[in-house]
Amino acid sequence: GEDVEQSLFLSVREGDSSVINCTYTDSSSTYLYWYKQEPGAGLQLLTYIFSNMDMKQDQRLTVLLNKKDKHLSLRIADTQTGDSAIYFCAETSDNFNKFYFGSGTKLNVKP
Amino acid sequence: DTEVTQTPKHLVMGMTNKKSLKCEQHMGHRAMYWYKQKAKKPPELMFVYSYEKLSINESVPSRFSPECPNSSLLNLHLHALQPEDSALYLCASSQGNLVEQYFGPGTRLTVT
Repeated sequence: GEDVEQSLFLSVREGDSSVINCTYTDSSSTYLYWYKQEPGAGLQLLTYIFSNMDMKQDQRLTVLLNKKDKHLSLRIADTQTGDSAIYFCAETSDNFNKFYFGSGTKLNVKP
Repeated sequence: DTEVTQTPKHLVMGMTNKKSLKCEQHMGHRAMYWYKQKAKKPPELMFVYSYEKLSINESVPSRFSPECPNSSLLNLHLHALQPEDSALYLCASSQGNLVEQYFGPGTRLTVT
């Protein structure tokens, strides 16, 4: 399958910005997503971006996409303790028959 | 309503048991999915149903048997499971195939 890679851990202080990064190898990706998973829970779709966009902002969340470098990032402004969770990036292939998750980044927000 | 519900929340079963996991959505989505998630790992896609027909089976062992009785319901029938099948089983749904999936809370399965 395609590789979607993320760093395993990120620790920030409450009120700071968090930036979670993701790299992928499938140049034909159509949609790219960010999901949040709290302990023992399912996945919450946070936001997504079409591959023909380079930025999307939704309240405290900003998604940046660099197609040339195959790099996706999620910036969380004014990070709160409730943002502590595992964040997964994911992508849909262009023929809509493959869906890949990244390995997940555990975000720890310190008070 | 953007909710996907799953029952039961927890299930403990022996290797000779037969049990079923259930999933329901009322968002009018035409695609539904089963995923398996082991601890500290991303979800792995198992099955995709599109318009109530099985469209993707990711080489899942036959001891897992999916069923889609109608467009709102998805079942996963379990038989003769192994301890290594213990995991969180997640259901998801979406309007189109493999886009914008909404996940349920999962069923935590333990096979003894």
